[in-house]
Amino acid sequence: KAGVTQTPRYLIKTRGQQVTLSCSPISGHRSVSWYQQTPGQGLQFLFEYFSETQRNKGNFPGRFSGRQFSNSRSEMNVSTLELGDSALYLCASSFSTSTIEQYFGPGTRLTVT
Amino acid sequence: QKEVEQDPGPLSVPEGAIVSLNCTYSNSAFQYFMWYRQYSRKGPELLMYTYSSGNKEDGRFTAQVDKSSKYISLFIRDSQPSDSATYLCAMRPPLSSGSARQLTFGSGTQLTVLP
Repeated sequence: KAGVTQTPRYLIKTRGQQVTLSCSPISGHRSVSWYQQTPGQGLQFLFEYFSETQRNKGNFPGRFSGRQFSNSRSEMNVSTLELGDSALYLCASSFSTSTIEQYFGPGTRLTVT
Repeated sequence: QKEVEQDPGPLSVPEGAIVSLNCTYSNSAFQYFMWYRQYSRKGPELLMYTYSSGNKEDGRFTAQVDKSSKYISLFIRDSQPSDSATYLCAMRPPLSSGSARQLTFGSGTQLTVLP
């Protein structure tokens, strides 16, 4: 069974631009969560989607948004990029919202210059 | 103060040693306690999880939860160089909670097992 895939793996953007990251969950998994990982703040929850609906949102500004498609694939978007948005963005999938196990993808490394 | 505190290390041990990794937390609502392992340039991998207090063993790994002290531990027996990674603790409230899916992570402990 293929794992969680994230594209692109690496990305370099300029301050003020916007970026879209993609996540394909494990086949059959319908819940997708996004996390931001930085050396200073560690892993922080961004949001979770299930059945194309955002179920939970972390404490991030409105510049961070996401969506989920009918095939459970998810995208997250960051608008008006800031230098502090440089991070590893991780996607995690699980079978449903009542499943404990979350499986993480390899992440997208975003660098904002 | 962060909800979950974890000593970042780095921790360096010889092969075969017993490793103890720990986290403390302040939110008494946490009911599920996880340990993730993250290799360099990879996403976190779930090692094991426990519900409420108690111990859980899986091969060379043992997880302990002491809710009265708000303290969790991961023990690695007979450590191997392949165990070298960053270990992250994570916690979440009960499934009935609206924020049940939201994991709160520790900052991670970097472990190196020397051959």
